Amino acid sequence: DIVMTQSPLSLPVTPGEPASISCRSSQSLLHSNGHTYLNWYLQKPGQSPQLLIYMGSNRASGVPDRFSGSGSGTDFTLKINRVEAEDVGVYYCMQALQTPYSFGLGTILDIK
Amino acid sequence: EVQLVQSGAEVKKSGESLKISCQGFGYRFNSYWIAWVRQMPGKGLEWMGIVWPADSSVTYSPSFQGQVTISVDKSINTAYLQWSSLRASDSGMYYCARLSGGNWGFDYWGRGTLVTVSS
Repeated sequence: DIVMTQSPLSLPVTPGEPASISCRSSQSLLHSNGHTYLNWYLQKPGQSPQLLIYMGSNRASGVPDRFSGSGSGTDFTLKINRVEAEDVGVYYCMQALQTPYSFGLGTILDIK
Repeated sequence: EVQLVQSGAEVKKSGESLKISCQGFGYRFNSYWIAWVRQMPGKGLEWMGIVWPADSSVTYSPSFQGQVTISVDKSINTAYLQWSSLRASDSGMYYCARLSGGNWGFDYWGRGTLVTVSS
């Protein structure tokens, strides 16, 4: 099974400042079809998770352009270029290369 | 509008059986995988398994294989997650989620069904 490791576990950020979350997989998420099956989700307090980024770097519909995803192989990064108060919650990376799909433990972003 | 509507919260006792549901609206139900995801109190997300409504084929996470049953009734656009004998450790929030076309992530999620099991 693929293990997903996120860091940091907690990320206090001042509004307007950038934020970055790292995600590492125990094996490459690059499929033979050329796609990389790494997604990012945000779970806001009291809500269901929502898709932010798919295929490593593609923003989901309706996601603000302050969110960006990058990386390849086993190392990935989610960046928020200017954090807003509405961005608080838990961020998860998830691999969808092979079943069982697996999530990282999550990164709690809160506002300083 | 795409929606996944989950059944309401449940309070059960250890040893009881339970079946929760997830009904899809606003899209072709048979054409998208539906997954179940567990979130234990104060913890992260765990992928339990996934079902293809068109032929009811299911893939389970090894962590949940034999512990739960995932099924679907495509005539009413509904996926199910069931337990034959609940344990206190089954308490948590259970989400269903739709896998977007091309395996581009879970693009729609239900609001979750809270299951509370007392010992």
